[in-house]
Amino acid sequence: KNQVEQSPQSLIILEGKNCTLQCNYTVSPFSNLRWYKQDTGRGPVSLTIMTFSENTKSNGRYTATLDADTKQSSLHITASQLSDSASYICVVSGNTGFQKLVFGTGTRLLVSP
Amino acid sequence: GAGVSQSPSNKVTEKGKDVELRCDPISGHTALYWYRQSLGQGLEFLIYFQGNSAPDKSGLPSDRFSAERTGGSVSTLTIQRTQQEDSAVYLCASSLGSLAGLSDTQYFGPGTRLTVL
Repeated sequence: KNQVEQSPQSLIILEGKNCTLQCNYTVSPFSNLRWYKQDTGRGPVSLTIMTFSENTKSNGRYTATLDADTKQSSLHITASQLSDSASYICVVSGNTGFQKLVFGTGTRLLVSP
Repeated sequence: GAGVSQSPSNKVTEKGKDVELRCDPISGHTALYWYRQSLGQGLEFLIYFQGNSAPDKSGLPSDRFSAERTGGSVSTLTIQRTQQEDSAVYLCASSLGSLAGLSDTQYFGPGTRLTVL
């Protein structure tokens, strides 16, 4: 069964600190992996997208890494801000000809002042 | 429009009633998707439209669920004879579709929170 697992489930960090979120997946075949940010009461918003040939992708203070061999990805947030408080969802797409996404359950991040 | 819109934002209904949820995709997006997000769960794929046709309905949980899309734009998700387990946030997303290739990005609406009493 295609699955996406994320850790930790939740995380509290102090403003200004860095953190790293983890994602392991079993989706096969593999097309691409995205990290989404979902604010409370809002729909997910795409942060990064990586295909199997890409190892790292940055978007401002967000840096995602991908190891397609071990089927692992991470999202590193640098110099966290209060507005980073949200759920971060790892999403994997299989090579099905259309973008049928398999979603992780997310990591809920709280940045504390 | 600026983004994907959904209506209503909240819907409270009684068990056994039918409900209709609406999604207005981004103009020009040929692909449209419905997802369900239950409390504490990841998003669950329901159905995908390319234009007005639905090549993949595999995620619909039962025959009480149906969806249609007309004019390659607006879509409605209908749940008949609602049950308490249908309570969830229903999210709609749209994308450029197959012409955009494998890196096609889905843009999500704010969702409709459905509560079945």
